[in-house]
Amino acid sequence: AQSVTQLGSHVSVSEGALVLLRCNYSSSVPPYLFWYVQYPNQGLQLLLKYTTGATLVKGINGFEAEFKKSETSFHLTKPSAHMSDAAEYFCAVSDPTGNQFYFGTGTSLTVIP
Amino acid sequence: DSGVTQTPKHLITATGQRVTLRCSPRSGDLSVYWYQQSLDQGLQFLIQYYNGEERAKGNILERFSAQQFPDLHSELNLSSLELGDSALYFCASSVGSRDLLLSGYTFGSGTRLTVV
Repeated sequence: AQSVTQLGSHVSVSEGALVLLRCNYSSSVPPYLFWYVQYPNQGLQLLLKYTTGATLVKGINGFEAEFKKSETSFHLTKPSAHMSDAAEYFCAVSDPTGNQFYFGTGTSLTVIP
Repeated sequence: DSGVTQTPKHLITATGQRVTLRCSPRSGDLSVYWYQQSLDQGLQFLIQYYNGEERAKGNILERFSAQQFPDLHSELNLSSLELGDSALYFCASSVGSRDLLLSGYTFGSGTRLTVV
C-alpha cells in the first residue's frame, strides 16, 4: 500500500526566499512520485514527477524535487519564491501500475512581498 | 483550458436532494477519475472508469454512484445529500493507467457543491 505525508499544511516564505515543501511517502513497491499545484478556483496541474532514473527531477516554473529512497522523501524546492507561486501544493504517490494513486493533504504556500 | 470539462461550476442544493455532476474527458482519454476535495478530508479518490467500465473504487459513499457513457463522458450522481457532502468535486482524465504515470492526471476545474 502507498501513502503520503506532507509536513506543514501552511508554509509562508518571503519573496525571493527558498521554498521547501516536505513530502514523505510510504510504499511497499518502487514508488512513482508526483507534485501537483492548485491555483485558486482551478484544478490540479502536474508540476513534476519521478518515475525511474535520475533522482533529481526538474519541473515547471523553476521547481525541482529530489527522490531520496533512504529517507523516503520527495521534497519540493525552488531557490527563489515568486508571488505567483502562492498556491496549494500536493504530493502524490502511485504504484507502478498507476492503479493505486494517493494524494497528500496539501500544503498551502503563501509568499510575502 | 486543460481539455477536461466539468459542469456545472457551482451547485447549491438542499439536504436530501440529488444532483448530477458531469465530466467530459480530454479528447483521446479513456480513463475518468472522480475526486472529492474538502477542507477536512483533503483530496479523496472516489472512483475510476476506463472505457465505460468501473476500474477502481476509493472512498465513495453508497449514496454516490457514477457511470461512464459510450461517448466517454462521465456523470457522478450524489443522492440524499448531507451538509458534509459540500465540497469541490474534480474530474480528471488520462489515456490509461500507464499514461497516468507518464503524464499525470489532467484535471478539470471542478464543481463546487454547496449543500444547505
